[in-house]
Amino acid sequence: KAGVTQTPRYLIKTRGQQVTLSCSPISGHRSVSWYQQTPGQGLQFLFEYFSETQRNKGNFPGRFSGRQFSNSRSEMNVSTLELGDSALYLCAIPNADSRGGYTFGSGTRLTVV
Amino acid sequence: AQSVSQHNHHVILSEAASLELGCNYSYGGTVNLFWYVQYPGQHLQLLLKYFSGDPLVKGIKGFEAEFIKSKFSFNLRKPSVQWSDTAEYFCAVSGAGSYQLTFGKGTKLSVIP
Repeated sequence: KAGVTQTPRYLIKTRGQQVTLSCSPISGHRSVSWYQQTPGQGLQFLFEYFSETQRNKGNFPGRFSGRQFSNSRSEMNVSTLELGDSALYLCAIPNADSRGGYTFGSGTRLTVV
Repeated sequence: AQSVSQHNHHVILSEAASLELGCNYSYGGTVNLFWYVQYPGQHLQLLLKYFSGDPLVKGIKGFEAEFIKSKFSFNLRKPSVQWSDTAEYFCAVSGAGSYQLTFGKGTKLSVIP
């Protein structure tokens, strides 16, 4: 069973709209992180949640937000979408050996038109 | 601030050729180092990781990497590439005790049969 399930896999939105992406880690993982992947900027850290609290945040505008629920599922929200928000959004959980690094989900491909 | 530099944007090799992808990092402390691979249409997968000990690390699919602390480098190598190694390769670093990753921009490898 995959370590992280992300839904939906693909999404097309219009500029100015908002979007919510979902990430479900396998049970027992209290930490969930989000990354944005674009051809120009590569992979950039968005934020990390641990036991429903945001623990770290990357250098992204306030339009990007997230939350984590008591069952460890996490959502990220982007409001007032811009064309530059088109990206692959990846969710990740810490590797089982607890010494660093992640297992990544397949991602949600967001296209803003 | 941490940073990771991958020297080559796109590498093209013939099958059976040897591979070396460069990675240099900047970080003022103890680091964990990773190489991830992203096959076309697939999610990021961990190739190998270095935490401590032997600086020569062996990963999956015949890949290895050498950590040279004095050069702040963690180059990825494979003696003989196959067409199936065509993918994008990402070097990443985290501080000891942290899961947050800083990625390089990636190197696209194309292997010609």
